[in-house]
Amino acid sequence: DGGITQSPKYLFRKEGQNVTLSCEQNLNHDAMYWYRQDPGQGLRLIYYSQIVNDFQKGDIAEGYSVSREKKESFPLTVTSAQKNPTAFYLCASSPGTPSYEQYFGPGTRLTVT
Amino acid sequence: QKEVEQNSGPLSVPEGAIASLNCTYSDRVSQSFFWYRQYSGKSPELIMSIYSNGDKEDGRFTAQLNKASQYVSLLIRDSQPSDSATYLCAVNPEGSWGKFQFGAGTQVVVTP
Repeated sequence: DGGITQSPKYLFRKEGQNVTLSCEQNLNHDAMYWYRQDPGQGLRLIYYSQIVNDFQKGDIAEGYSVSREKKESFPLTVTSAQKNPTAFYLCASSPGTPSYEQYFGPGTRLTVT
Repeated sequence: QKEVEQNSGPLSVPEGAIASLNCTYSDRVSQSFFWYRQYSGKSPELIMSIYSNGDKEDGRFTAQLNKASQYVSLLIRDSQPSDSATYLCAVNPEGSWGKFQFGAGTQVVVTP
């Protein structure tokens, strides 16, 4: 089955710890994205990558880091520098030009206490 | 002014009626537009994309685009309780390389 997987579904961490969220796709999509969604809020872009070994900051990149070493994978690290990390994290992928339709994974709900 | 604006709702719609959702955007040269459905606690699901002025129909959904007036709308015909969700409008401005602008979403509640 083609799709986007994110793991884990729920993640609990203590303050001060870095945590890495996994995102894998087997759709052969070039572009991948990370969003954050807070309760009752819209989606905010954290990082995006158009091709392997290249990525750009989104609107709220502070306190996050990413890598894109493989086309299929785009992991997100939430560092201890992120002041309010508790949120619903969504990974998406897109075939790129011309339409840029984005397809979302199931999400990871991160709780930091 | 927000780049993509939607009424937050909730939009209450009787079962079997038409739900009409609107979205306005500020970037005049935007080229592609998308509607996503998001159930509570779940991730967004792409339901419609539209690129040209006019209407695009897919099953019970119709997307309408008017670039001159900078709005895109979504009609849901014969609304069902399973249509109760938040609907997100997304705009891909020209040259943004897929860096979408999302609206905050409109919550739709279909009442039996």
